[in-house]
Amino acid sequence: KNEVEQSPQNLTAQEGEFITINCSYSVGISALHWLQQHPGGGIVSLFMLSSGKKKHGRLIATINIQEKHSSLHITASHPRDSAVYICAVEGGDKLIFGTGTRLQVFP
Amino acid sequence: EADIYQTPRYLVIGTGKKITLECSQTMGHDKMYWYQQDPGMELHLIHYSYGVNSTEKGDLSSESTVSRIRTEHFPLTLESARPSHTSQYLCASRERGAGANVLTFGAGSRLTVL
Repeated sequence: KNEVEQSPQNLTAQEGEFITINCSYSVGISALHWLQQHPGGGIVSLFMLSSGKKKHGRLIATINIQEKHSSLHITASHPRDSAVYICAVEGGDKLIFGTGTRLQVFP
Repeated sequence: EADIYQTPRYLVIGTGKKITLECSQTMGHDKMYWYQQDPGMELHLIHYSYGVNSTEKGDLSSESTVSRIRTEHFPLTLESARPSHTSQYLCASRERGAGANVLTFGAGSRLTVL
């Protein structure tokens, strides 16, 4: 069993839909990262959080430390949101990555 | 804007060749990392550095070496490439400091070894 599990693995949506991607982890952490990887491979850091909730534009990330669970929400999804979303947890300055959730948003 | 640069972006070479993947960052970050990522798979740490003259092996044995002679430069070298080295290699950096900081990633170097 991986230390970081993401669900779903693949997700398709129509433009405008509300999207939720989940991340569960089994280790103690100091922070959790949400990353976005577009085709071509480049990775962008979306959020780093250790408690509560963060919001940036249409993206919202939440974390529940007691339940070892985080969610990434996308409101009013758009085709340009199509990408792989990766959850990574940090303990002791090393990151453990999930395998990612592939999101496709159709017009 | 990309403040961390990787070259080459794509490379196809024959078995046994020596290659160096370059990574440079202009942000003055102390911490730098090399990750390997196979298609559809998670990133694996292969090397990291906390500053000049500091290098450590990560979790994945990749038969590669790194050096950190200057803060901004963290090249990865494969002495003798094999088909099993075919993968994407991602460089990242972050600030040193109390608490965690976000990572900044390069665009990646996609290596194919024939």
